[in-house]
This record gives sequence, C-alpha cells and structure tokens, in this order.
Amino acid sequence: GIQVEQSPPDLILQEGANSTLRCNFSDSVNNLQWFHQNPWGQLINLFYIPSGTKQNGRLSATTVATERYSLLYISSSQTTDSGVYFCAVALQGGGSNYKLTFGKGTLLTVNP
Amino acid sequence: DGGITQSPKYLFRKEGQNVTLSCEQNLNHDAMYWYRQDPGQGLRLIYYSQIVNDFQKGDIAEGYSVSREKKESFPLTVTSAQKNPTAFYLCASSTWDRAPNQPQHFGDGTRLSIL
Repeated sequence: GIQVEQSPPDLILQEGANSTLRCNFSDSVNNLQWFHQNPWGQLINLFYIPSGTKQNGRLSATTVATERYSLLYISSSQTTDSGVYFCAVALQGGGSNYKLTFGKGTLLTVNP
Repeated sequence: DGGITQSPKYLFRKEGQNVTLSCEQNLNHDAMYWYRQDPGQGLRLIYYSQIVNDFQKGDIAEGYSVSREKKESFPLTVTSAQKNPTAFYLCASSTWDRAPNQPQHFGDGTRLSIL
C-alpha cells in the first residue's frame, strides 16, 4: 500500500515563530488532506489539497503532486496551534479511492 | 448545525462483551468511514461504506462489524473477537457524486477502554 512519511516527528517552537511541516507519499494520489488534532482528540480539517497552494489565515499548504510531497506552513505560531498535525492521502484510481492513509503525524508544541 | 455525531464519548467494555459505537451524520454524505487511533499513531481504516446496504473492509477489520441501513447512520460493533480494543475510534463521512475523491469530515471520537 501507499506509504506516508511526515517530518519532523516532533517540533517545539516559541510563540511567534514560523514552521514548515512536510509530508512525503509514495504513489500518485487524488486526495490529500491536512488535519490538526487538538489535545481533546478532535480532528480538524485544515486543507483539502491534492495539488496546488492554498492559504487560510496564518496557515498555508502546498502540494507538488508530481514530486509526491506536501508542505504545511504555520506562521506567527500561537499556543493554540499545539497538537498533532496529520497528513492523509488516498490513492489515485481503482476501488481504493476513498481509503485515506494517514502518516504518523508531527507533534507541535508552542510555548508562550 | 450540520455535522457528525459520535456517541458515547467514553465507553468501557468487559471481557467477552460486544459494544456498539454510534455515528450519525446530517451532512447528506453518501460515504462513511470508521478509523481506529492508538496512542502516538496515525489513524487506520476499519470499515467504510459508499452507499446504503453496502460496506467494505478496511485495513484492520478483524474483530469489528458494521451495518449501513440508513444513509445517515453507520454503527460500529467491537466484538469479543477483538483482543485489543482499547483505542480512540473516529467516524468520518464524505460526498460521492461521480466526483474525484472528496475531503472527509470527522466526528469527535469515542474512547473505548477495557474494564
């Protein structure tokens, strides 16, 4: 099956710093989503971005599908950004279109 | 408000007991999914359903069962055959109208523990 690798596994920042999280995947995909899981376990949709670039406030994401990676940028980080960030992908074509495969996540801690 | 409701938030299971986790959505989504999350890990797919009265096994279906009698409901039963059921269970849904893969939206989860 498809492999999804996220880096770094852990990241500690001071409030106000910027960061870049990376997601590499091993095959062509037609769904790529970034999620934020807060300390209560809620999984929040950040971006649906199988290709291209999107921005939402302090967050932006870029997926280069031909090179099989995606980047999530967090600018001017806040303590509420703490939590685990997951990248998830679904294979292109075939009956497995709808099966999201998750990476192991990046644990982000933002200190005041 | 439209969304996905999972209940209960916390559930305890005794040895040899079956338990059922509820997932209801009012987003009019065709497809629904169940995932399992273990501590420090990503989510893994248990079962998914693209249409009423049809469902498919995911990567870790052993010890679980599902039904899809209504479009808005997709309950998951954790059977006594599942030897390590302690985990966080998340339900998701998405649209499916001859469109390419659509984003999945998640409920708030159910934490299941063994007594």
